[in-house]
Amino acid sequence: QTVVTQEPSFSVSPGGTVTLTCGLSSGSVSTSYYPSWYQQTPGQAPRTLIYSTNTRSSGVPDRFSGSILGNKAALTITGAQADDESDYYCVLYMGSGIGVFGTGTKVTVL
Amino acid sequence: QITLKESGPTLVKPTQTLTLTCTFSGFSLSTSGVGVGWIRQPPGKALEWLALIYWDDDKRYSPSLKSRLTITKDTSKNQVVLTMTNMDPVDTATYFCAHSPYNWNYALDYWGQGTLVTVSS
Repeated sequence: QTVVTQEPSFSVSPGGTVTLTCGLSSGSVSTSYYPSWYQQTPGQAPRTLIYSTNTRSSGVPDRFSGSILGNKAALTITGAQADDESDYYCVLYMGSGIGVFGTGTKVTVL
Repeated sequence: QITLKESGPTLVKPTQTLTLTCTFSGFSLSTSGVGVGWIRQPPGKALEWLALIYWDDDKRYSPSLKSRLTITKDTSKNQVVLTMTNMDPVDTATYFCAHSPYNWNYALDYWGQGTLVTVSS
């Protein structure tokens, strides 16, 4: 069974930069996995941030950016703001478009 | 404007079959490349991808749940239905449906608000 791993938590100062990663329990992540990223606050539906590795969804601020770093997908928040405090999930798409969500990262801004 | 809304029972008993309906507006599931997916989230836990159906009736299922899931669409009613058999308390979760646009490489853009399903006798 494929496991997609994320850091459990990160803390960032207001105005700071944080990079979250999304890896595979076995193997490397590439653009062929079409990584996407979602932001979720408690009690709310997820909000789409990034798809196809690095394309921002409509209305998403450019302080959010996606990339491949080494053997993982990455989401970087540059100039963190208080309302960026959320849970962040990645999704990797296996062969034939079957998705697997990551374990999620809780980001605290303080 | 695209909207999606999930509906179905809030409480099911173990071993029963769950049927959830996603009713949407603002797009047609007969449009080339478009899909609708289902995702769930147990209380306090991570999101889990379940299934997705495309405009051409192509279907994808999570391998770990494939034997229990069926996804269908009714284009005329703008609805997608997910059935999950043999429900267990571990299936207690908020179930979301979401829209997958053409050319987004399977990703999801618009999400429903979710519906909480509790499995208990």
